[in-house]
Amino acid sequence: GAVVSQHPSRVICKSGTSVKIECRSLDFQATTMFWYRQFPKKSLMLMATSNEGSKATYEQGVEKDKFLINHASLTLSTLTVTSAHPEDSSFYICSATTPEQFFGPGTRLTVL
Amino acid sequence: DAKTTQPPSMDCAEGRAANLPCNHSTISGNEYVYWYRQIHSQGPQYIIHGLKNNETNEMASLIITEDRKSSTLILPHATLRDTAVYYCIVRIYNQGGKLIFGQGTELSVKP
Repeated sequence: GAVVSQHPSRVICKSGTSVKIECRSLDFQATTMFWYRQFPKKSLMLMATSNEGSKATYEQGVEKDKFLINHASLTLSTLTVTSAHPEDSSFYICSATTPEQFFGPGTRLTVL
Repeated sequence: DAKTTQPPSMDCAEGRAANLPCNHSTISGNEYVYWYRQIHSQGPQYIIHGLKNNETNEMASLIITEDRKSSTLILPHATLRDTAVYYCIVRIYNQGGKLIFGQGTELSVKP
């Protein structure tokens, strides 16, 4: 199947700082990527749909000013968690469509 | 909300077939049934999808009932590495549509 990578795989930051997570489709181009968040023992929750060259579409309840998404090319989408707080600690996962959806390995964010 | 219902957990003996059920009674005519699995602390892995015919690939088989209101994912010879949470999702194919995850079934394969 298609390969999707994420960087970094884990990050620890201080409260109030911003963290950028990259999602890349390695062997295909993806006009649409998705960002999910997963808390321990819970299912994946869709945060937003990232479309190349246009603004992201956020799910209800997700703060667009806190979770900035940029999809500048057909192989790269970034999620920036701005002014991170401990409650933002979670497992963030991206996916890209080919049209099947393939997922990245996830990024573990810990905010101290 | 997720449009599928799955049992929260199942056990299976290593080497035996694992049969994971899924109910999707409100599925639309243009929606496919997708199965993904998530091994602990990893991203979900695509397994298989189908519309109305049974499907088989190197990982699993998918059996969809004639009325399309339910399906079963079959892992023919489960191994310890198949221990994971399995998600059944309905989605319109080829529209780049988002996947809405339910709670899935936590499959434990035991020696």
